[in-house]
Amino acid sequence: QVQVVESGGGVVQPGRSLRLSCAASGFTFSSYSMHWVRQAPGKGLEWVAVISNDGSNKYYADSVKGRFTVSRDNSKNTLYLQMNSLRAEDTAVYYCAREVRFGELDFWGQGTLVTVSS
Amino acid sequence: QSALTQPASVSGSPGQSITISCTGTSSDVGGYYHVSWYQQHPGKAPKLMIYDVSNRPSGVSNRLSGSKSGNTASLTISGLQAEDEADYYCSSYTSSSTWVFGGGTKLTVL
Repeated sequence: QVQVVESGGGVVQPGRSLRLSCAASGFTFSSYSMHWVRQAPGKGLEWVAVISNDGSNKYYADSVKGRFTVSRDNSKNTLYLQMNSLRAEDTAVYYCAREVRFGELDFWGQGTLVTVSS
Repeated sequence: QSALTQPASVSGSPGQSITISCTGTSSDVGGYYHVSWYQQHPGKAPKLMIYDVSNRPSGVSNRLSGSKSGNTASLTISGLQAEDEADYYCSSYTSSSTWVFGGGTKLTVL
């Protein structure tokens, strides 16, 4: 069955870096665009980034542009989010999600918590 | 990339109907039919309920319906059931080739 599982979250100091991973299984990973969406504790969903199926197109929310980089390794069925210059306001649960058709995020992981704190 | 505007909360009794609005601009909701709605229960991942304004994925109850007029999209849930109690988020494609979510609406079934 379709599954996406995030990992790599944890506690990190402001200004440091962290890389999240999202392992996909049960579908042809290389055929789908993938998104990162985050949710700060007790807050709403915030879209973070999207990467096309072949990795050639990437788009970011203004709040993370220039600090975060989305990438993928289709040979490993894995999506990544490299997060640099982390700030307290980046504290959130980070979800990866499959885009089955344009804008339709049909499968989501359970998320990984990133806490930015000194 | 300002968040789309949703009411913070709505409520209704079992069997009633409720509507949640989602207001954006001509650069997002008003300019595209790529508006989706997601349901999120506490501690769970979001679930796609409506895509492209008014389409339901397989398995989603036909008690849910979506529509759009100008810069405002709407989600209507009829025949409210206890299981509908959750947070609901709208999402739209934008003219910047990005996506934006609404602030979320907490639905309470009285």
